[in-house]
Amino acid sequence: AAGVIQSPRHLIKEKRETATLKCYPIPRHDTVYWYQQGPGQDPQFLISFYEKMQSDKGSIPDRFSAQQFSDYHSELNMSSLELGDSALYFCASSEKNYGYTFGSGTRLTVV
Amino acid sequence: AQSVTQLDSQVPVFEEAPVELRCNYSSSVSVYLFWYVQYPNQGLQLLLKYLSGSTLVKGINGFEAEFNKSQTSFHLRKPSVHISDTAEYFCAVSAVSGGYNKLIFGAGTRLAVHP
Repeated sequence: AAGVIQSPRHLIKEKRETATLKCYPIPRHDTVYWYQQGPGQDPQFLISFYEKMQSDKGSIPDRFSAQQFSDYHSELNMSSLELGDSALYFCASSEKNYGYTFGSGTRLTVV
Repeated sequence: AQSVTQLDSQVPVFEEAPVELRCNYSSSVSVYLFWYVQYPNQGLQLLLKYLSGSTLVKGINGFEAEFNKSQTSFHLRKPSVHISDTAEYFCAVSAVSGGYNKLIFGAGTRLAVHP
């Protein structure tokens, strides 16, 4: 069965650089969620999109932005990267709110 | 708003022993409940979920959980653990009403299975 695809799997950036993370949801899932998981932490909700419109927003820094495109894939853009942005970034897609499927994540390391 | 409390940050247990990982939630509305497992350097895998119906839910890898509305709990159990069950376990909730609601996670419980 198709799963949620995230790319890249690993990313190393320097401070103050920009990173773009991509997420391809399961076909026919119309909602995408982004989470940030710091070392030893639980996943923290960043932002979500339903039918290409932002549906909810969590503790996402102003330096981060995201959007969902016409083909339903989503991108998380992170600018002016800081050391504290180093984390595992998960994307999940769902059909309504009881069918969440997570991608394998993108591990971002800021040096 | 919803919140999730996982009462144990770490649970050590010997192989083939039973285990219970505790989860309590708080919500002013009805919720769906989930347990996810995360192996080192990997993503989140769904173990089981409670949406409605029978309060005893069976999941993958021999895990089960029981929804207790009066105690607002959703504890995860396995009668006999294996070394391979060593991982981080997250309890999560989402609101039933309002459409497409985000998952709220607990802080996680590290299950360490010893030989």
